Amino acid sequence: GAVVSQHPSWVICKSGTSVKIECRSLDFQATTMFWYRQFPKQSLMLMATSNEGSKATYEQGVEKDKFLINHASLTLSTLTVTSAHPEDSSFYICSARVGTGNNEQFFGPGTRLTVL
Amino acid sequence: RKEVEQDPGPFNVPEGATVAFNCTYSNSASQSFFWYRQDCRKEPKLLMSVYSSGNEDGRFTAQLNRASQYISLLIRDSKLSDSATYLCVVNLNYQLIWGAGTKLIIKP
Repeated sequence: GAVVSQHPSWVICKSGTSVKIECRSLDFQATTMFWYRQFPKQSLMLMATSNEGSKATYEQGVEKDKFLINHASLTLSTLTVTSAHPEDSSFYICSARVGTGNNEQFFGPGTRLTVL
Repeated sequence: RKEVEQDPGPFNVPEGATVAFNCTYSNSASQSFFWYRQDCRKEPKLLMSVYSSGNEDGRFTAQLNRASQYISLLIRDSKLSDSATYLCVVNLNYQLIWGAGTKLIIKP
């Protein structure tokens, strides 16, 4: 099956620093990648959708200047949490999809971010 | 009202029992439906798609009722390894909308 990796799997950082999370599709080319955030005991919330070579589309309430997304190739997307604060502590999950529409999304293993 | 609602549980069920979860969704234009399983601190994994005609995969049966806008998941002969959080997911305009999940704990 399709494999998506994320790096790092967990990170602890000080308030005010920036953290970059990588999402890679290992054995397929992903037309679209999605970034989700999940707080404890809550549902996954879509943060943004990114297509290779174009700007990401952010969901309402997600600050694009704080959560920088770069989708430079069909196998790599990065999410940078800039000037992280404790309230940004969460589980960040990426997914990748081949093609469009109802094609299945394949999820990365997630990155647990803790901001002190 | 949440777009996708689930009973958070936890459901504590003895091994071997049958357990069922329901999920309701608010937008009648929703196009497709899924159950995902999520283990603690892991990514969600697709369990099965849900169709109006009902579909079965081993011990798991999923059903969709479009008129009442709810989705169900039935697990028969539950195993210890079924302990997880089960997420109801709705596809609306090619965007996945997630329920908060129902936690299931299978006890020996």
